[in-house]
Amino acid sequence: ETGVTQTPRHLVMGMTNKKSLKCEQHLGHNAMYWYKQSAKKPLELMFVYSLEERVENNSVPSRFSPECPNSSHLFLHLHTLQPEDSALYLCASSQVPGLADEQFFGPGTRLTVL
Amino acid sequence: DAKTTQPNSMESNEEEPVHLPCNHSTISGTDYIHWYRQLPSQGPEYVIHGLTSNVNNRMASLAIAEDRKSSTLILHRATLRDAAVYYCILPTQTTSGTYKYIFGTGTRLKVLA
Repeated sequence: ETGVTQTPRHLVMGMTNKKSLKCEQHLGHNAMYWYKQSAKKPLELMFVYSLEERVENNSVPSRFSPECPNSSHLFLHLHTLQPEDSALYLCASSQVPGLADEQFFGPGTRLTVL
Repeated sequence: DAKTTQPNSMESNEEEPVHLPCNHSTISGTDYIHWYRQLPSQGPEYVIHGLTSNVNNRMASLAIAEDRKSSTLILHRATLRDAAVYYCILPTQTTSGTYKYIFGTGTRLKVLA
């Protein structure tokens, strides 16, 4: 595997379910990001992790809980979501957190909340 | 945060050059200009970035105005595979020292065969 991978690619869940999205990067990067892309809206930055520490939380509701156990893996734990949370969730990584360098994106997880 | 303005959509004929404009009149002296594109059903991918000088890579060229208040992404020969949404972004440094990439609505490029 190369680049940034995300699993699952598609997820359908009810509002009472608990699920997790997984992101893995094989690039040796030290910064990882979660973005949300709703239909017909720009990508929204949700969380930023630098060297496994969360450094940015863009006013994301607590029903979204990120976890970064090591520099290669990033999770987004979901619980009691709302239908308006249906969106494409994208993970990205970059090499050095303190540089405005290239971000590498995964293919995303298409989430549908019923 | 410095903002960017791009046309909502553009069209180009296949095999012809495409010039995608971006205005960033509030850019600061240290802001880099990044371009990404998002093909249908995919995550965004990096295209090019620059600070002051014009830049070239295998995908595109970036022309930056002398006053840096605007830039143009140039695709030298558009192909059908270049049909995507193109984003012009000025990464913003946060208090933690990391950079935020604020994506706008971008320019949807349609390439006609």
